[in-house]
Amino acid sequence: GAGVSQSPSNKVTEKGKDVELRCDPISGHTALYWYRQRLGQGLEFLIYFQGNSAPDKSGLPSDRFSAERTGESVSTLTIQRTQQEDSAVYLCASSAIGPADLHFGNGTRLTVT
Amino acid sequence: KQEVTQIPAALSVPEGENLVLNCSFTDSAIYNLQWFRQDPGKGLTSLLLIQSSQREQTSGRLNASLDKSSGRSTLYIAASQPGDSATYLCAVNTGGFKTIFGAGTRLFVKA
Repeated sequence: GAGVSQSPSNKVTEKGKDVELRCDPISGHTALYWYRQRLGQGLEFLIYFQGNSAPDKSGLPSDRFSAERTGESVSTLTIQRTQQEDSAVYLCASSAIGPADLHFGNGTRLTVT
Repeated sequence: KQEVTQIPAALSVPEGENLVLNCSFTDSAIYNLQWFRQDPGKGLTSLLLIQSSQREQTSGRLNASLDKSSGRSTLYIAASQPGDSATYLCAVNTGGFKTIFGAGTRLFVKA
């Protein structure tokens, strides 16, 4: 079926506002990953879901960041009280068999003004 | 802590040249290493996956090598084409669910 879908593709928000980023994984993929990519840098791991559970949230940069996944499907990454340093591309990936089989979405480009 | 470094950060070559992209990692205890391609505004596409027990993998004009003991991998692209222009990222997995990515090499192939 379709690949990993992320929305919105672009988001411009004012400093201090909350934003929600959405990821629709490939159907049947039990694992879901969120990464952040700052300009000119590699991907920074944020959080991993196995089913609806997140075994490791230590990659989340601060308590302003949270994520949830429901129905072993859609995941939402929420950033509260956005700061300029949150500006980046947020990438979602899903996998059926583990981290060697990552399928990435096109990302959400977040700009905080 | 595993760190992945890619050199050069950017590379511009004329069409038809053979080229090598370099990746180094600090902890040799890896499970596998992958090379990805990222086009502007797009996600990552996996190119080659090398398991820790393997020395190299080939796909078409691409060949990736792995030397675990020295913490190095190379991606060789033969007879480069303008369509190869993209960012190439190296990533290592140490057996868990975290994959550690390098910052990438931006490749531009001139027609």
